[in-house]
Amino acid sequence: AQSVTQLDSQVPVFEEAPVELRCNYSSSVSVYLFWYVQYPNQGLQLLLKYLSGSTLVESINGFEAEFNKSQTSFHLRKPSVHISDTAEYFCAVTVGTSGTYKYIFGTGTRLKVLA
Amino acid sequence: GAVVSQHPSRVICKSGTSVKIECRSLDFQATTMFWYRQFPKQSLMLMATSNEGSKATYEQGVEKDKFLINHASLTLSTLTVTSAHPEDSSFYICSARRAGSHSTSPLHFGNGTRLTVT
Repeated sequence: AQSVTQLDSQVPVFEEAPVELRCNYSSSVSVYLFWYVQYPNQGLQLLLKYLSGSTLVESINGFEAEFNKSQTSFHLRKPSVHISDTAEYFCAVTVGTSGTYKYIFGTGTRLKVLA
Repeated sequence: GAVVSQHPSRVICKSGTSVKIECRSLDFQATTMFWYRQFPKQSLMLMATSNEGSKATYEQGVEKDKFLINHASLTLSTLTVTSAHPEDSSFYICSARRAGSHSTSPLHFGNGTRLTVT
């Protein structure tokens, strides 16, 4: 069965420090990978995605993630975080066959940026 | 573009009553909408997939008669929690996929509804 693992439930980091949020997936078929961010009492917003092509994908606010097929990972990184990056981050994969794709979410990582 | 509006954002109801949550795609048509439930400090649990004009597909373990889903138009899906109990208290989130987009296209999420059953 397909699954998504986010090992870190919480990650505290000081402002302007780098951060890496880990995501590993298990799947026997090709997957499409996403990172979503959730601010308190809000829905999820797409941060970045990997569908095909370059394994390094970037978002407009400085986050990047690299798809590593051999390690089945899609870790999220940012070289310098801001207070405003404090939020819950979810890694997700879509699996399935044409017409029946489903999203599977990880348990989330709460990023807390400290002043 | 791609705005999904979910209403209400918060609702408190008494045990035994029913609550309806609306999910609207404001600037696009959505053939498929998904309903999730999120417990505190946990991930999103897919409850059901709603396709316009047809019956919803429920995930294993989700009671169809308790969580009624209707997707009557390309811009509106509703989730009705019938005979609510305190254990139904949770954060419910809907998401929509734009009509004509690939099945792996990113979803557009509403801002969620926090349901509290007293």
